[in-house]
Amino acid sequence: DAKTTQPPSMDCAEGRAANLPCNHSTISGNEYVYWYRQIHSQGPQYIIHGLKNNETNEMASLIITEDRKSSTLILPHATLRDTAVYYCIVRDRSNFGNEKLTFGTGTRLTIIP
Amino acid sequence: GAVVSQHPSWVICKSGTSVKIECRSLDFQATTMFWYRQFPKQSLMLMATSNEGSKATYEQGVEKDKFLINHASLTLSTLTVTSAHPEDSSFYICSARDQKEIYNSPLHFGNGTRLTVT
Repeated sequence: DAKTTQPPSMDCAEGRAANLPCNHSTISGNEYVYWYRQIHSQGPQYIIHGLKNNETNEMASLIITEDRKSSTLILPHATLRDTAVYYCIVRDRSNFGNEKLTFGTGTRLTIIP
Repeated sequence: GAVVSQHPSWVICKSGTSVKIECRSLDFQATTMFWYRQFPKQSLMLMATSNEGSKATYEQGVEKDKFLINHASLTLSTLTVTSAHPEDSSFYICSARDQKEIYNSPLHFGNGTRLTVT
């Protein structure tokens, strides 16, 4: 599995864009980058995923560098409800369709009023 | 969107008793479900992969006789913590993926079950 490296914590002012970096320098060509977040005492919530192109949905944008060795999750207008631990995960495709996700320690994002 | 439901959301049991946790996919079918455990201030750790109609696959260090997994249908997997001890107190979370969209769909997670063994 490609490992990921994330800063342990970040703060962001409410209403501003939150940019969460992730390093995955050992990612292989067929591995996707997934982002999940976990609000306190809840199960992880899927945010977005991508392979090599930038992606955007109603929750966030995902920017993947051209060499795919790093990515950034962008929450465009952070709210207090975005306070959570954010996990960047590279999808293990050894058994495509049933492969498991391996969680790292993530980034604890705190949105400040 | 796809919903995974866990029950109960929390449970307190006495040491030595067994506890069953249910994980249901509400609007999709899943041949595979995953069980995770999370201790306070730590990340999720995969315990086992639940396979519909066959035996579960356990991660290294997880006792299969203590954590019994049954995946009897395409929408239900159960985790039974047998002879629970205080050190089994944790947050147990299940996840599943829609088997019709396995190639590009995300894993969906339940809201977890907080187990406290007294």
